[in-house]
Amino acid sequence: DTGVSQNPRHKITKRGQNVTFRCDPISEHNRLYWYRQTLGQGPEFLTYFQNEAQLEKSRLLSDRFSAERPKGSFSTLEIQRTEQGDSAMYLCASSLSGLGETQYFGPGTRLLVL
Amino acid sequence: QKEVEQDPGPLSVPEGAIVSLNCTYSNSAFQYFMWYRQYSRKGPELLMYTYSSGNKEDGRFTAQVDKSSKYISLFIRDSQPSDSATYLCAMSADRGATNKLIFGTGTLLAVQP
Repeated sequence: DTGVSQNPRHKITKRGQNVTFRCDPISEHNRLYWYRQTLGQGPEFLTYFQNEAQLEKSRLLSDRFSAERPKGSFSTLEIQRTEQGDSAMYLCASSLSGLGETQYFGPGTRLLVL
Repeated sequence: QKEVEQDPGPLSVPEGAIVSLNCTYSNSAFQYFMWYRQYSRKGPELLMYTYSSGNKEDGRFTAQVDKSSKYISLFIRDSQPSDSATYLCAMSADRGATNKLIFGTGTLLAVQP
């Protein structure tokens, strides 16, 4: 499978714990995005990488959230001191910059904070 | 007011019907318009991509963009039960910078056999 992959697919954690999600983009894609989707809503942009550089962060991304993309390959999204309001589907998308650029999404990581 | 408005449905149609899904938007800077299909508990899957105004057809799917009215549509002909999913419209502005997508809330479609 050469699509975007995300791990884990599901995560249940207790409030106050830290969690980390991983995204492996399509191999030749230089852009990587994280979105968050809550029930009944469309995905909302969180942050964006071009290669290894994090170029934009949404105001939705509080200081408890951090994302990295070392070496411009896979990316991790960490949430520290999780809150119940963090429960959502976390989606990763990748794209190749240029004309006709389109984003391809992974299956998502569903987080439940108890 | 949200930048992108989409009727959440649900929309229920019989098999074989023509389905019309719509979004309106407020940001005149949007130039790139997409439709994604999302099955329950899965990631969004790109269906159609359109640049600026006009129509685009791909099999049973037709996407229309009317920038003067800030209105986009997706038509599905000969709908099938396998088309039952949530349909998300998405749009973006400047491809030179971040290409973050702004999504509608999604319309839940059920095609009854």
